[in-house]
Amino acid sequence: AQTVTQSQPEMSVQEAETVTLSCTYDTSESDYYLFWYKQPPSRQMILVIRQEAYKQQNATENRFSVNFQKAAKSFSLKISDSQLGDAAMYFCAYRTSPNTGNQFYFGTGTSLTVIP
Amino acid sequence: SQTIHQWPATLVQPVGSPLSLECTVEGTSNPNLYWYRQAAGRGLQLLFYSVGIGQISSEVPQNLSASRPQDRQFILSSKKLLLSDSGFYLCAWSVIADEQFFGPGTRLTVL
Repeated sequence: AQTVTQSQPEMSVQEAETVTLSCTYDTSESDYYLFWYKQPPSRQMILVIRQEAYKQQNATENRFSVNFQKAAKSFSLKISDSQLGDAAMYFCAYRTSPNTGNQFYFGTGTSLTVIP
Repeated sequence: SQTIHQWPATLVQPVGSPLSLECTVEGTSNPNLYWYRQAAGRGLQLLFYSVGIGQISSEVPQNLSASRPQDRQFILSSKKLLLSDSGFYLCAWSVIADEQFFGPGTRLTVL
């Protein structure tokens, strides 16, 4: 089974600064999808960004970008110009190929604190 | 647009009582449906997923069960709750080659 590892249980960043959250995964598939979700105190899971494994270009969404290293099986999230509203739990997720069941696997999360 | 509903939002139940949590999806057909549990300060644990009516796969054997009586309805049940069943339960849906969309969750406390 695929595993997703987030090695940073907690991170903090100064407002307006940049922070990078790490994620690694283990898989033997070549076709899959990766996601970062944000869970604020409301506990609603919100999609931040997604990356298709077949795309070499790193995904970006405004202040959020990823560094996708397929060979290293690494998928880090960079948050630029951090804002107070970015404080949340962040989960990295892996989705298997549609041919192998559409399974999702989540990391254990990184709690991000934004310091004013 | 698609929406996902979960109820109740909050539930307090005594040990040994039954449980029924409901999840419904609107605006899509034949979605994959998922039940997750999240313990306090922890990650998501996949409990069940379903690719169609009556088709349920269990990831973690325990005293919980799931059913999908209709295409867009997913129910999580238990005949007798345990203290360890306390947590935050999330329902989610997805379609082929897309992300998961999550419901607002149910906070269950077993006393």
